[in-house]
Amino acid sequence: DQQVKQNSPSLSVQEGRISILNCDYTNSMFDYFLWYKKYPAEGPTFLISISSIKDKNEDGRFTVFLNKSAKHLSLHIVPSQPGDSAVYFCAASDRQGGKLIFGQGTELSVKP
Amino acid sequence: DGGITQSPKYLFRKEGQNVTLSCEQNLNHDAMYWYRQDPGQGLRLIYYSQIVNDFQKGDIAEGYSVSREKKESFPLTVTSAQKNPTAFYLCASSMVAGGYNEQFFGPGTRLTVL
Repeated sequence: DQQVKQNSPSLSVQEGRISILNCDYTNSMFDYFLWYKKYPAEGPTFLISISSIKDKNEDGRFTVFLNKSAKHLSLHIVPSQPGDSAVYFCAASDRQGGKLIFGQGTELSVKP
Repeated sequence: DGGITQSPKYLFRKEGQNVTLSCEQNLNHDAMYWYRQDPGQGLRLIYYSQIVNDFQKGDIAEGYSVSREKKESFPLTVTSAQKNPTAFYLCASSMVAGGYNEQFFGPGTRLTVL
């Protein structure tokens, strides 16, 4: 039972354009959501997070949107740069457990 | 220079042998975690520890064992009972377990069982 889903395994975007990565979840108890970026053969690095009391959080070129009624979150990268090419994982947790549940990842390719 | 170290980066073992993966953190974090990543899949939780001398099974604990004798260290043993041990293993830590705090990851160990 996949509680966190990233339905697009890959995404290709032109440099300078917007990248939109999507993530859906099924557990209504999740109240904290994170995005990680991962290069091959390296550990994931934390990008940005959002708690369920907000519907938007912004950090530089990265913005995460949360739609609780749809159980959907998205990561927007504007403008996209070639260095953004990596696999992006969304993750979710409920405050009590503290465990993170990860999606399968979306591989972003930003072409010059 | 704080962080999480995992060693070795690449590890080869023969089938039927136990192998222990090292994870050390100097971030003074209470909680530590082990994940495994397989191609095309997300990270799956193997074991986690919220405090020293305590740990809990994650979603795929069968064939693995851990110990948490020191706050800084959380070694993972892949036993011969693990049916499909070849994978990329990631260790992580967080300030505390639960609440709104992100996990920080080490560089990973790629284990190949021949």
